[in-house]
Amino acid sequence: DVKVTQSSRYLVKRTGEKVFLECVQDMDHENMFWYRQDPGLGLRLIYFSYDVKMKEKGDIPEGYSVSREKKERFSLILESASTNQTSMYLCASSRPGESYNEQFFGPGTRLTVL
Amino acid sequence: LAKTTQPISMDSYEGQEVNITCSHNNIATNDYITWYQQFPSQGPRFIIQGYKTKVTNEVASLFIPADRKSSTLSLPRVSLSDTAVYYCLAMDSSYKLIFGSGTRLLVRP
Repeated sequence: DVKVTQSSRYLVKRTGEKVFLECVQDMDHENMFWYRQDPGLGLRLIYFSYDVKMKEKGDIPEGYSVSREKKERFSLILESASTNQTSMYLCASSRPGESYNEQFFGPGTRLTVL
Repeated sequence: LAKTTQPISMDSYEGQEVNITCSHNNIATNDYITWYQQFPSQGPRFIIQGYKTKVTNEVASLFIPADRKSSTLSLPRVSLSDTAVYYCLAMDSSYKLIFGSGTRLLVRP
């Protein structure tokens, strides 16, 4: 069974802390994505990566960075967490080409920044 | 700027057919329109995708008119377990992914 796993289901951090969210997929997918999900706003793309060491900004990259050193792992970094980054964070992966939009999602990490 | 618009919520009863429409303007002319289902405390799950006309799989149908300014997800004979949030996804003309804000479907007995 294909799988996308995220390092934590729940995380509580303090304002100003550096936060790492990890995502691992076992499907050998080229594309990986980070979204945040907020009530009434749906999913908004933060960053995506179409290959190792490659990254592209999504709609809301400010305050975030990413790292993809290995094909199976895509990390989201909050350099200095702020309360407005309290949200559900979802990681996804997909194959390239026609399957680009057929994304497999992890269970999400609910981050609270105090 | 592309935008996707869906109804916030819908109610139905078991056994009925449910149609959820997503409006999407300024989307890429050569990319798929995709629908996802999400249950509480889970990530979204791919349901179906199409490019134009009609696509059907074992769980749903997707209707896309020729102008591709909307798409309709059709769930035949819904059951209580279809209660979930449904999202449409399209790509805009600059190849950015745009999710709709989701439609919360409640299926009643």
